[in-house]
Amino acid sequence: GDSVTQMEGPVTLSEEAFLTINCTYTATGYPSLFWYVQYPGEGLQLLLKATKADDKGSNKGFEATYRKETTSFHLEKGSVQVSDSAVYFCALIRHNAGKSTFGDGTTLTVKP
Amino acid sequence: DTAVSQTPKYLVTQMGNDKSIKCEQNLGHDTMYWYKQDSKKFLKIMFSYNNKELIINETVPNRFSPKSPDKAHLNLHINSLELGDSAVYFCASSQKTGTEAFFGQGTRLTVV
Repeated sequence: GDSVTQMEGPVTLSEEAFLTINCTYTATGYPSLFWYVQYPGEGLQLLLKATKADDKGSNKGFEATYRKETTSFHLEKGSVQVSDSAVYFCALIRHNAGKSTFGDGTTLTVKP
Repeated sequence: DTAVSQTPKYLVTQMGNDKSIKCEQNLGHDTMYWYKQDSKKFLKIMFSYNNKELIINETVPNRFSPKSPDKAHLNLHINSLELGDSAVYFCASSQKTGTEAFFGQGTRLTVV
């Protein structure tokens, strides 16, 4: 079945540090890939997405590139802020699938 | 103008009680979901509905009964609540199957 494996947390960084959260997946066909962010006490929000190989999703300074050859979708940000502290989820969905498959989430804490 | 709204936001109840969580989306989406998030932030799909029809039921105890009176609503009724049911329950919707999900704010259920 489908699966998503993402970097275990927690991850603690200083403000303005470079962020990478690794995500790899297993799925048949060509799924769409997503990163969601969950701020404390809130629901998940879609952060960015990519729907085909070599697509780059970007939003709020975050980026991730759909790499079919390595089945990866790593999340990066060049300079994190305290306000980026949250839980980040990598997810995939296959075309016409009735559900998304989520990774276990990575908690990011950014210290001033 | 909340896109996916669920009520209540918090629910504290005693073991053995029956409770319901309501969810409504005003996005015109065809597909709705219930997810359970445990204390470690792991997300697990419970149910998926497409155009009011159940399409996914992920081995959830039959004490949990979803109901979709129309495409915009998906309610969750839980009978005979147990301590292990304590979690945050998220409703979500997507335009159609195979597309990204939009989440509600969550309902934190505490069974005492």
